[in-house]
Amino acid sequence: DAGITQSPRHKVTETGTPVTLRCHQTENHRYMYWYRQDPGHGLRLIHYSYGVKDTDKGEVSDGYSVSRSKTEDFLLTLESATSSQTSVYFCAISAQGADGNTIYFGEGSWLTVV
Amino acid sequence: DQQVKQNSPSLSVQEGRISILNCDYTNSMFDYFLWYKKYPAEGPTFLISISSIKDKNEDGRFTVFLNKSAKHLSLHIVPSQPGDSAVYFCAANWVGGSQGNLIFGKGTKLSVKP
Repeated sequence: DAGITQSPRHKVTETGTPVTLRCHQTENHRYMYWYRQDPGHGLRLIHYSYGVKDTDKGEVSDGYSVSRSKTEDFLLTLESATSSQTSVYFCAISAQGADGNTIYFGEGSWLTVV
Repeated sequence: DQQVKQNSPSLSVQEGRISILNCDYTNSMFDYFLWYKKYPAEGPTFLISISSIKDKNEDGRFTVFLNKSAKHLSLHIVPSQPGDSAVYFCAANWVGGSQGNLIFGKGTKLSVKP
């Protein structure tokens, strides 16, 4: 258990509406991530954060924005949801291990855009 | 261009036998490799990792082998159990890359039949 809580866990929204997914961690990890998982694509990085107010784009960042105003919270916003953003979204944190950094995931947020 | 490839979308194995999941990579800069297991409706869970300075790492029933010259790694599960049925993702990173920014394969669905 990496101490990650995602909310909401399930959401259905209409095309064109804004949506915010929240990730909360309790273990003061510096690095946080948002991934999406789609059939045939595996897990793809959307955005990540390396500290409060420090964020950067990942592989599939178009249509998404993020914010991190506190160490424990990392928000993912879809400004105007589209059907192509129907997906499962996973928040993650990075922890240093003996040989390298290991990512630990939250339980996921299922988003359907209709 | 896929940097991490899992060429078998699915694998079916009898309970008690060995499961071998394969992963190939193209980026010679990768120096840390991980395997994740994912059950439906749950987040991916970290399984085992290996540094490029090693060619084998073992944890109970799970062993990961790394062949750097062939840019190939494999996950062996012995003996396989029905509870091992899940999607397995291979991932890779390198020390000079963004911390914890893992590149994932598309996954292999393992089915272990009783």
